[in-house]
Amino acid sequence: EPEVTQTPSHQVTQMGQEVILRCVPISNHLYFYWYRQILGQKVEFLVSFYNNEISEKSEIFDDQFSVERPDGSNFTLKIRSTKLEDSAMYFCASSEGMGGHNEQFFGPGTRLTVL
Amino acid sequence: TQLLEQSPQFLSIQEGENLTVYCNSSSVFSSLQWYRQEPGEGPVLLVTVVTGGEVKKLKRLTFQFGDARKDSSLHITAAQPGDTGLYLCAGASLYNNNDMRFGAGTRLTVKP
Repeated sequence: EPEVTQTPSHQVTQMGQEVILRCVPISNHLYFYWYRQILGQKVEFLVSFYNNEISEKSEIFDDQFSVERPDGSNFTLKIRSTKLEDSAMYFCASSEGMGGHNEQFFGPGTRLTVL
Repeated sequence: TQLLEQSPQFLSIQEGENLTVYCNSSSVFSSLQWYRQEPGEGPVLLVTVVTGGEVKKLKRLTFQFGDARKDSSLHITAAQPGDTGLYLCAGASLYNNNDMRFGAGTRLTVKP
């Protein structure tokens, strides 16, 4: 069964460094998403992406964050100048496309630890 | 901002008992999804409900979408220890199907 994959599973970085989190969405899906879940808290929407551009973003997704689909398979989240409070699980998700019921399928997540 | 309130926040029951968890909002959603999340893993989609009043069954799990598409419930019959986990509801905006917001979840523990 097709699934969303994410790498790395765990990323440790120093405060102020840049990190890139990688995702491979399900191959025939057209919409891609990033979510964040701080330990013990709710899953928070960051951004949705379609047709090589951001279609929606939350108030969390400020200039520190950017997303890119550098090739036909990868979808990345870049966090510049990481802060301690960026430590969280970051989940990528994908869904089939326009219309439908937006069933989003999630990857296993990347645990980001900022020291 | 669409807020989804889930209740109860925590639920601990014995194997074999029935339970219902709730997901409520003042907003109308185009669809609502239920997910289950294990510690350290991503949410796994259980079901999507779309039509007001819709009821869907998945083995011992029964999902209902409110008539006004603002709330939903998940009922589990004869709970088993394998049902233990965090149950999340997520609603998709009427105005942008790709804008989905999650509730905080109900953490269910089923004791053998």
